[in-house]
Amino acid sequence: GAGVSQSPSNKVTEKGKDVELRCDPISGHTALYWYRQSLGQGLEFLIYFQGNSAPDKSGLPSDRFSAERTGGSVSTLTIQRTQQEDSAVYLCASRKSGLIAFFGQGTRLTVV
Amino acid sequence: DQQVKQNSPSLSVQEGRISILNCDYTNSMFDYFLWYKKYPAEGPTFLISISSIKDKNEDGRFTVFLNKSAKHLSLHIVPSQPGDSAVYFCAASEVGGSARQLTFGSGTQLTVLP
Repeated sequence: GAGVSQSPSNKVTEKGKDVELRCDPISGHTALYWYRQSLGQGLEFLIYFQGNSAPDKSGLPSDRFSAERTGGSVSTLTIQRTQQEDSAVYLCASRKSGLIAFFGQGTRLTVV
Repeated sequence: DQQVKQNSPSLSVQEGRISILNCDYTNSMFDYFLWYKKYPAEGPTFLISISSIKDKNEDGRFTVFLNKSAKHLSLHIVPSQPGDSAVYFCAASEVGGSARQLTFGSGTQLTVLP
């Protein structure tokens, strides 16, 4: 596609349920990032994929969070046993060979 | 420990005047800096960037200045327009680093008053 696509755009889930957020990066982009923005906060780095290298998971806030990237393209961010503090906008970005990352529109997650 | 700081959460300027958004960083390994603009309910969009080998980069109404000794960068918008009203994030990266993650500041809400 022309840009980074994220789905769903909005997700409301009950506390304790698992959720999966999807990111379709720009075709040919080898690097993929996940960030989140909590209300009134900046962009918090979660995880970074680059080609076939082991992902940089240093930003994942707990072991309830995991992400995978299949075939070097689509990525799924999974949050298990969601908590209210997980409520945020989850942003995905992709990058080709340069240093400019292009963001999707985000998924707004609300845990009730 | 915030490695990239935007100390002004908000800024209001009159249309036609200059907007100056500031960003400070602490990691001396950062060597590439970017500014992103974010409208509500949208993802951030890339605006302008600068490499540490330069001290200025200009693109139309937008100019980014980098002061490496002070670990400070700023974004100048002139003249400011109401459509520039958005949250502006600065970001930094280590080009030579293995992770190449982007570290973002907390953002500055710019409001351009007509």
